[in-house]
Amino acid sequence: AQSVTQPDIHITVSEGASLELRCNYSYGATPYLFWYVQSPGQGLQLLLKYFSGDTLVQGIKGFEAEFKRSQSSFNLRKPSVHWSDAAEYFCAVDDSGAGSYQLTFGKGTKLSVIP
Amino acid sequence: DVKVTQSSRYLVKRTGEKVFLECVQDMDHENMFWYRQDPGLGLRLIYFSYDVKMKEKGDIPEGYSVSREKKERFSLILESASTNQTSMYLCAIDGTYEQYFGPGTRLTVT
Repeated sequence: AQSVTQPDIHITVSEGASLELRCNYSYGATPYLFWYVQSPGQGLQLLLKYFSGDTLVQGIKGFEAEFKRSQSSFNLRKPSVHWSDAAEYFCAVDDSGAGSYQLTFGKGTKLSVIP
Repeated sequence: DVKVTQSSRYLVKRTGEKVFLECVQDMDHENMFWYRQDPGLGLRLIYFSYDVKMKEKGDIPEGYSVSREKKERFSLILESASTNQTSMYLCAIDGTYEQYFGPGTRLTVT
C-alpha cells in the first residue's frame, strides 16, 4: 500500500527565515503529489501539485516544492516565512493514478512562526 | 469559486445517538469524500461516492455509513455514536486535479 511520511511533527521558525517541510512517499510509479495547508479551524487548501514535467513546481503564497524521484521526496519550501504561514501542512499522494481521485495523506507538520 | 458546505461547524452528541453530518457542493462534481482528522494521524478516508447512490469504503468505514440520494449532497451517518468517534470530520469533492474541502465539523460525543 502507498504511504506518505512527514518526518517532522512540529517545526518552529522565525519570521523571515527559510522553511523546508519534508515529505517522502512509497509508490511504485510516478505519483501525483500534493501539498495542502490547514489554518486553525479551517478546511484544507491546496498549495501546489505535481503531476509530471518540471520537477520544481510553484504554488500559492510563495511556496514551491521539488519532486526528486531518486529520493522519493516532495519537499515544500519557502524562502522567507511570514507569521500568517503558521498552520498545519499535509503532503498527499494520489492512490488511483487518476489525478486526485483517492488521496493518501501524511500525518501533517505543524508550523509555528516566532515573530 | 468551488463551494463545499458542511451543515455544522460544531456538534455535541450523546453516546448511542444517531448522528447525521451533511455535505453539500455547488459544482456538480461526481466524486465526494468523507475524511476523519485526528491529531497525529492526519486525514483518513472513511467513505467516498463516485455517483448518486454509489459508495465505496475507505480506510476506516467501521461504525459509519453514508447516503447520496442527490448529486450535490453526501451524508455521513453515525448509527450509534461512540466516544471514540469524537473527531474533526472533513468533506471534500474531487475537482479538476485537486480536492476541495469543506470547513469541517468538529464532533464531540459525550
